Amino acid sequence: AQKVTQAQTEISVVEKEDVTLDCVYETRDTTYYLFWYKQPPSGELVFLIRRNSFDEQNEISGRYSWNFQKSTSSFNFTITASQVVDSAVYFCALSEATSGTYKYIFGTGTRLKVLA
Amino acid sequence: EPEVTQTPSHQVTQMGQEVILRCVPISNHLYFYWYRQILGQKVEFLVSFYNNEISEKSEIFDDQFSVERPDGSNFTLKIRSTKLEDSAMYFCASSEIAALGYNEQFFGPGTRLTVL
Repeated sequence: AQKVTQAQTEISVVEKEDVTLDCVYETRDTTYYLFWYKQPPSGELVFLIRRNSFDEQNEISGRYSWNFQKSTSSFNFTITASQVVDSAVYFCALSEATSGTYKYIFGTGTRLKVLA
Repeated sequence: EPEVTQTPSHQVTQMGQEVILRCVPISNHLYFYWYRQILGQKVEFLVSFYNNEISEKSEIFDDQFSVERPDGSNFTLKIRSTKLEDSAMYFCASSEIAALGYNEQFFGPGTRLTVL
C-alpha cells in the first residue's frame, strides 16, 4: 500500500542554520511522483518541487535542495541558511501512476520553526 | 498566472445543516479533486472527478458528500448534513491531465469549514 512517512513532527532551528526534512515513501509502483509543499500559517499549499521516479538527479533551487534516493525510498528536503520566513509546515506527497487518478498521498507534515 | 479559486474562505454552519463549498478550477484543466485537512493533521484525499463523473473516492467520502460540476467553470463539494467532525480545511485542486509525465495538481487557497 502507498504511504508517506515524515517522522519529524516538529523541528526548531536558529536562523542561518541548515535543516533537513525527511520523507520516506512506500509504493509498489515503478512509476510515481513525489512532491514537496509548504503550508505557511495562512494555510494555503505552496508547491515547491515535483520529481518523477525515473529522475534521481538531485535538485537545487536557491537555498532549497532535494535529495531523491530510490534505494532508500527517501526524498529529503534541505533548507540552507534558514530564515524566519521559512517557518511553516512542510508536506511530502506521493502520486502513483496506477492509481488512475494520480491522487496525492500526503505525509503528516513537519512543522519547521526558525527562530531569529 | 491562472489559479484555482475557492469560496467562501471561511464557512461557519450549525450541525445538521447542508453546506456547499465552491471552487473554480483553472480553465483548461480536466481533472478535479477535493482534499480535506483536519486542523493540525495531514491533507487527505476525498474525491477525484473527470468527465462529469467521480473517478475515485476515499472511504471518507461517504453518502453525506457529493460533488458536481454544475456549469463549465464551477466545481462544488456538498455536505448534506454536517457533523462536528466535518470541521476542517477543504482544498480544491485541478490538473490539466492525469497521465504519465505530467500530473501536477494546482491547489486553491482552501475553505475553512467550522461546524458548531
